[in-house]
Amino acid sequence: DGGITQSPKYLFRKEGQNVTLSCEQNLNHDAMYWYRQDPGQGLRLIYYSQIVNDFQKGDIAEGYSVSREKKESFPLTVTSAQKNPTAFYLCASSDRGSTEAFFGQGTRLTVV
Amino acid sequence: QKEVEQDPGPLSVPEGAIVSLNCTYSNSAFQYFMWYRQYSRKGPELLMYTYSSGNKEDGRFTAQVDKSSKYISLFIRDSQPSDSATYLCAMRQNSGYALNFGKGTSLLVTP
Repeated sequence: DGGITQSPKYLFRKEGQNVTLSCEQNLNHDAMYWYRQDPGQGLRLIYYSQIVNDFQKGDIAEGYSVSREKKESFPLTVTSAQKNPTAFYLCASSDRGSTEAFFGQGTRLTVV
Repeated sequence: QKEVEQDPGPLSVPEGAIVSLNCTYSNSAFQYFMWYRQYSRKGPELLMYTYSSGNKEDGRFTAQVDKSSKYISLFIRDSQPSDSATYLCAMRQNSGYALNFGKGTSLLVTP
């Protein structure tokens, strides 16, 4: 089945630790995105990538880093510099020129 | 002012009612308008999208875009309990990929 896989579904980390969230897609999409969702905040764009080895900051990139070494993979690292990392993280992908973005099922990160 | 405004609700309606969900926006460059449905603890799924102004119908769902008023709507006819979810509007410009989302409206359809 084609789709976007995010792992893990739930993640717990101690404050001050870096953590990497995985996102893999087998839809052959060029563009991939990371969003953060907080209660009452909607989805906010962290980073996006239109092609391999290239990515751009979104609205809330501070404290996050990404890489795009392969077309199908776009991991997100939440660093210790992110002041409030506890949130629901969503990865998405879309085809070049397409309006439709497909979302993964999300990773809920809790920092204690 | 946020680019996309959406009333978070919650909105509670009886089964069979017609539901109206709305968003307003400030960026006149937005050309693509989408509605996503998100069930609790799941990723959003695309319901409908519209390019520029006009109406689009798909089963019980109708999307409307009024660019002159910068106002978009999603209507759900004969609402069902399974429609209970959060509905997110999203939009983007002609160029570029990133979507701008509203905060989402929580809908509860009671049997």
